[in-house]
Amino acid sequence: AQSVTQPDIHITVSEGASLELRCNYSYGATPYLFWYVQSPGQGLQLLLKYFSGDTLVQGIKGFEAEFKRSQSSFNLRKPSVHWSDAAEYFCAVGLSGTYKYIFGTGTRLKVLA
Amino acid sequence: NAGVMQNPRHLVRRRGQEARLRCSPMKGHSHVYWYRQLPEEGLKFMVYLQKENIIDESGMPKERFSAEFPKEGPSILRIQQVVRGDSAAYFCASSRGETNSPLHFGNGTRLTVT
Repeated sequence: AQSVTQPDIHITVSEGASLELRCNYSYGATPYLFWYVQSPGQGLQLLLKYFSGDTLVQGIKGFEAEFKRSQSSFNLRKPSVHWSDAAEYFCAVGLSGTYKYIFGTGTRLKVLA
Repeated sequence: NAGVMQNPRHLVRRRGQEARLRCSPMKGHSHVYWYRQLPEEGLKFMVYLQKENIIDESGMPKERFSAEFPKEGPSILRIQQVVRGDSAAYFCASSRGETNSPLHFGNGTRLTVT
């Protein structure tokens, strides 16, 4: 069955430190991959997406993600975290040829001053 | 602003009343998804609609919940005879209909049942 796993429920980093949020998926075909961010009381905002081509994709707010087919992963990274990055992050997979999207359970990021 | 519009942002209902949540999709989008989110939990898929059609309602409780997306006007998620357990944030998302097109989310409706 198709699934998306975000193994870290909570992550705490210091401001200025680097960040990597993990996402693993299970899907037999080529996935369409997305990362979203949700600030408290808000909806989900698209950070970046991967469909094909270069496996390193750049997004908004200084985020990037790398698709690794061999590891079925799409990890989100940022070189230097800002206090305003504190939020919940969701990885999602679009199942090609269908209307279905599968979301991970989210990783809540806390940033220490 | 051509984004996904949800209203109301906050809705308080007493047990037994009806809740009606509205969603206007992004301009040019004719596919709407509804999700439910409980505190400290992820998104739970409820229903997927195209104009005038319910395509997949497998995530929606069979009783008390219904959804529509009429030819004209917003999509509506309707909860009849609300109970305390219905308290949650309900998010609407829209897309162009292909999963290589990202979902665009509204800011949600936070339903509180007293």
